Amino acid sequence: DAGVTQSPTHLIKTRGQHVTLRCSPISGHKSVSWYQQVLGQGPQFIFQYYEKEERGRGNFPDRFSARQFPNYSSELNVNALLLGDSALYLCASSLFGARSGANVLTFGAGSRLTVL
Amino acid sequence: TQLLEQSPQFLSIQEGENLTVYCNSSSVFSSLQWYRQEPGEGPVLLVTVVTGGEVKKLKRLTFQFGDARKDSSLHITAAQPGDTGLYLCAGARAGGGADGLTFGKGTHLIIQP
Repeated sequence: DAGVTQSPTHLIKTRGQHVTLRCSPISGHKSVSWYQQVLGQGPQFIFQYYEKEERGRGNFPDRFSARQFPNYSSELNVNALLLGDSALYLCASSLFGARSGANVLTFGAGSRLTVL
Repeated sequence: TQLLEQSPQFLSIQEGENLTVYCNSSSVFSSLQWYRQEPGEGPVLLVTVVTGGEVKKLKRLTFQFGDARKDSSLHITAAQPGDTGLYLCAGARAGGGADGLTFGKGTHLIIQP
């Protein structure tokens, strides 16, 4: 079975541009979460979607948005890119939404974004 | 704000040695997870601990959750080069809030052959 797949794997943008990152969860998983991992740091929570609804949002500006489609895949959009947005963007899928105390996340390999 | 502090940040030891990595917080977590991440990959879940005082073993790895569910440790016995990687602890907030997992900055572990 395929794991969590993310695309693109690497991309380079310039300041002010917009980027769309895509994620396909494990078959049967209805929840997708997005995390940002800046070099040298642990992942930081951006969004969680469950059954196509936003269930959680981290401390990120409104330039960051996301959505989940009927097939449970997801997109993360970032507008007006800043140099500080350069990071590895990780998508994780899980069976349940956030309210499960022992929710098991399976991460994809990430999309490496470089903003010049 | 990082609520989970991991120590040490970097650790390089010889094959066969033992080591312990710590994950500490002033906050209570409903569960705590340990992940290992290799370069170019996403984190891979190693274990989830839920009950205060819980100890779980995964081959040469032993994980412990503190009695107050605020801290955890990972002990590796007879480390091998294949154990090299970034070890991350992550906590789910008590109450099951929809605010995702809180990760520590990680411990970079290098096992020299």
